Amino acid sequence: DIQMTQSPSTLSASVGDRVTITCRASQSISTWLAWYQQKPGKAPMLLIYKASSLKSGVPSRFSGSGSATEFTLTISSLQPDDFATYYCQQYNSYSWTFGQGTKVEIK
Amino acid sequence: EVQLVQSGAEVKKSGESLKISCKNFGDSFTNYWIGWVRQMPGKGLEWMGIIWPDDSDTRYSPSFQGQVTMSADKSVNTAYLRWSSLKASDTAMYYCARLLSISDGFDIWGQGTMVTVSS
Repeated sequence: DIQMTQSPSTLSASVGDRVTITCRASQSISTWLAWYQQKPGKAPMLLIYKASSLKSGVPSRFSGSGSATEFTLTISSLQPDDFATYYCQQYNSYSWTFGQGTKVEIK
Repeated sequence: EVQLVQSGAEVKKSGESLKISCKNFGDSFTNYWIGWVRQMPGKGLEWMGIIWPDDSDTRYSPSFQGQVTMSADKSVNTAYLRWSSLKASDTAMYYCARLLSISDGFDIWGQGTMVTVSS
């Protein structure tokens, strides 16, 4: 199974900060990577797919990049609504794996 | 608007069986894979498996193979997740979600079904 490792596990930031979350795959997954946002008590929400494609309706301050084994999610200017937990997810050969999550907290 | 609506919270005892559901509204049920995701209390997301409702082709995560059974009934646009004998460690929130396409992530999620199993 492909393992996904996110860093950091927790991130403290202020409104307006640029925030970057990293996700590393245990083997190459091309660009088959998605990013989700989850708020407490809510279902996850897809933000980015195919590593860098922004889902329709998602604010443009979110962006994704990377390929093979290293990927990043960037929030260009953190907004109050962005304090949440973020997960990466890989796809490979009818198998999907999530990272362990990164909690973005208010500094 | 496409929606996945899941069945309500369940409280069961160890050893009991359970089937929860995920009903698709607003789009073709047979054109998308439906996946199931577990989230144990205070923990992260775990992919359990997916099903193609048109022919019930199913793929399980090795971690969940043999532990649960996924099924679908396209006549009522509903996917199901079943346990034959629950354990306390099955206590979790379970989400169904639709795959945008096989490699593009889960774009529509159900609201979740909380399953609580007491020993």
